[in-house]
Amino acid sequence: DQQVKQNSPSLSVQEGRISILNCDYTNSMFDYFLWYKKYPAEGPTFLISISSIKDKNEDGRFTVFLNKSAKHLSLHIVPSQPGDSAVYFCAASDNNSGGSNYKLTFGKGTLLTVNP
Amino acid sequence: DTGVSQDPRHKITKRGQNVTFRCDPISEHNRLYWYRQTLGQGPEFLTYFQNEAQLEKSRLLSDRFSAERPKGSFSTLEIQRTEQGDSAMYLCASSRTQGAAYNEQFFGPGTRLTVL
Repeated sequence: DQQVKQNSPSLSVQEGRISILNCDYTNSMFDYFLWYKKYPAEGPTFLISISSIKDKNEDGRFTVFLNKSAKHLSLHIVPSQPGDSAVYFCAASDNNSGGSNYKLTFGKGTLLTVNP
Repeated sequence: DTGVSQDPRHKITKRGQNVTFRCDPISEHNRLYWYRQTLGQGPEFLTYFQNEAQLEKSRLLSDRFSAERPKGSFSTLEIQRTEQGDSAMYLCASSRTQGAAYNEQFFGPGTRLTVL
């Protein structure tokens, strides 16, 4: 079963506009969420994260919003740039009995294309 | 370069052969993770180490797979009697166990395995 879902395989936006990437999860034990960006033939690159005790985290052009009741998070990129074109993965982890998150569960990714 | 490194970047082998991959994590990171990514999917957790101890293995890690981290630094992932279904990108990641950003895993470039 897919515990982290990214229902949009692709998204295309114009340069300078906002990109909104969505992610839904089913496991209520997840308490830490991350977004990664991946270029072809490279490993995922960490972008931004959010703990379940927050509902928003911002870092420059990137903002992640978390709606725990809806089990939904989104990544906003403003303004979008052509260099942002990549696959974006949503990932989540749950707090194990040891108190430290470890393995990540990933969605299938969304291919973002930013057109000049 | 102080990021996660993996070797080799590409490996082509014939079915039935054994292969071994190496991962060098970020030096101050205690945790090391292995993931596998197939086409159209997000990375899937295989196993992780805290220092030299292997603390969890996914059910995806059949008995043909073995991972080691002998001195708590680099790690190796061996696949014995490779099958065509083992063809994938094998990703290594590392993270801290405490302090700021300990939940964030940093990935290497991956090893692309092709089994003919």
